[in-house]
Amino acid sequence: DGGITQSPKYLFRKEGQNVTLSCEQNLNHDAMYWYRQDPGQGLRLIYYSQIVNDFQKGDIAEGYSVSREKKESFPLTVTSAQKNPTAFYLCASSISPSTYEQYFGPGTRLTVT
Amino acid sequence: AQSVTQLGSHVSVSEGALVLLRCNYSSSVPPYLFWYVQYPNQGLQLLLKYTTGATLVKGINGFEAEFKKSETSFHLTKPSAHMSDAAEYFCAVSGNYGGSQGNLIFGKGTKLSVKP
Repeated sequence: DGGITQSPKYLFRKEGQNVTLSCEQNLNHDAMYWYRQDPGQGLRLIYYSQIVNDFQKGDIAEGYSVSREKKESFPLTVTSAQKNPTAFYLCASSISPSTYEQYFGPGTRLTVT
Repeated sequence: AQSVTQLGSHVSVSEGALVLLRCNYSSSVPPYLFWYVQYPNQGLQLLLKYTTGATLVKGINGFEAEFKKSETSFHLTKPSAHMSDAAEYFCAVSGNYGGSQGNLIFGKGTKLSVKP
C-alpha cells in the first residue's frame, strides 16, 4: 500500500534531549512538509522540502531541524532549543508543489517532561 | 498574504440535521481550496478540493462545498449528519510561502459534534 508512515505514534522524552521524528513516503512525491498541531491552533508549518537536498523554513522553524537526503524520507529533529516541544506532529507530502494537494501521515504525539 | 478563517471552533448538530461549516479565505491570486477531516489522534484526510472549473465540489462521505468568489467563501455542507461525522474539520487555501508554490494555509479548525 502506498502512503506516508510516521514513527513512533507516541514518543516521550526528557527535557534537554534532542529527538528525531521519522517520516517516510512511498508515493514518489517530490514535496514533503512538517506541521505542528496544538489544540485550537490549527496546523502550523515547521519546514518544507520541494526537492531532495533542499528545504525551507516555515512559520515556526526555531528549535527544529530537518534533512532531505532521500526523496522518500524527511526526518524532523526537535532540539533542546525548542521551548515548548510537546505537541502533535504531522508529516505530509504532495506529488509536486504545483498541485497543492497534500497527503498526511498518521502523526506522532511527542511529550517532553 | 493568504489566510483562512473558520467561523465557529465548535459546531453541534443532531443526527440527520444539516451540517454547515463555514470557511472564508483571503488570497491575492485565484485560490485552490481544500477541506480536510481529522479524527482523534489521526492524520488529516482530504474531503474535497476546488482548483478550477465547477464551483460546486462534491467530496467523500456525502460532503460538498461551493466556491463563491464574490463572498471569498468555501463553506462545507452535508444534508444529513451521521454520528460518524463527528470529527475536526480544517479548511485550507493554497499559499505561496516565501515565494514558493505548494504550501497550504490552514484555518484553526471546527470540531463537529453530532447528537443522537
